[in-house]
Amino acid sequence: DVKVTQSSRYLVKRTGEKVFLECVQDMDHENMFWYRQDPGLGLRLIYFSYDVKMKEKGDIPEGYSVSREKKERFSLILESASTNQTSMYLCASSPLSGSANYGYTFGSGTRLTVV
Amino acid sequence: AQKVTQAQTEISVVEKEDVTLDCVYETRDTTYYLFWYKQPPSGELVFLIRRNSFDEQNEISGRYSWNFQKSTSSFNFTITASQVVDSAVYFCALSEASGSWGKLQFGAGTQVVVTP
Repeated sequence: DVKVTQSSRYLVKRTGEKVFLECVQDMDHENMFWYRQDPGLGLRLIYFSYDVKMKEKGDIPEGYSVSREKKERFSLILESASTNQTSMYLCASSPLSGSANYGYTFGSGTRLTVV
Repeated sequence: AQKVTQAQTEISVVEKEDVTLDCVYETRDTTYYLFWYKQPPSGELVFLIRRNSFDEQNEISGRYSWNFQKSTSSFNFTITASQVVDSAVYFCALSEASGSWGKLQFGAGTQVVVTP
């Protein structure tokens, strides 16, 4: 069964901490994405990557960075966590070729609370 | 600008009723793809359907059906004879073919609550 795995289901961090959210996929997909989900706003794209060491900003990249050292792993980094980054974070992947045809495979999400 | 609009925030129905979820999209591309995803309480988004912009044929899959109308930029989703297991948040999404790397743009989602 193909999977996108996010390392933590729930996470509580303090303001100012550096936070790492990890995502691993086993489908050999080229594209990987990080979204945050907030009530009434749907899913908003933070960053995406179409290849190892490649990254592109999404719609709301401020306060975040990403790392993709291996094809299967895409990490989201909150450099200095703030309370307005409390949210559900969703990772997804898709194949590069004809990716628009296939949509995404999502992980189960990480609910991050910053106190 | 919001490219995908789901005007219904929440819909509550009693089991066995039909429920229709509205989705209106905006794009200048002639080639694009539309999707519906379901997010049950467990949190993981589950892919339901995709349509490309050249295929306006409506589709039925079991209790689910989709009505795609380019003239009104709408891609509506109907659950027939709803069941409690249909309770979830449903997202409509758009992917534009031009230079988007397959990025999906999501609507705000519609919460469906089905009570016994």
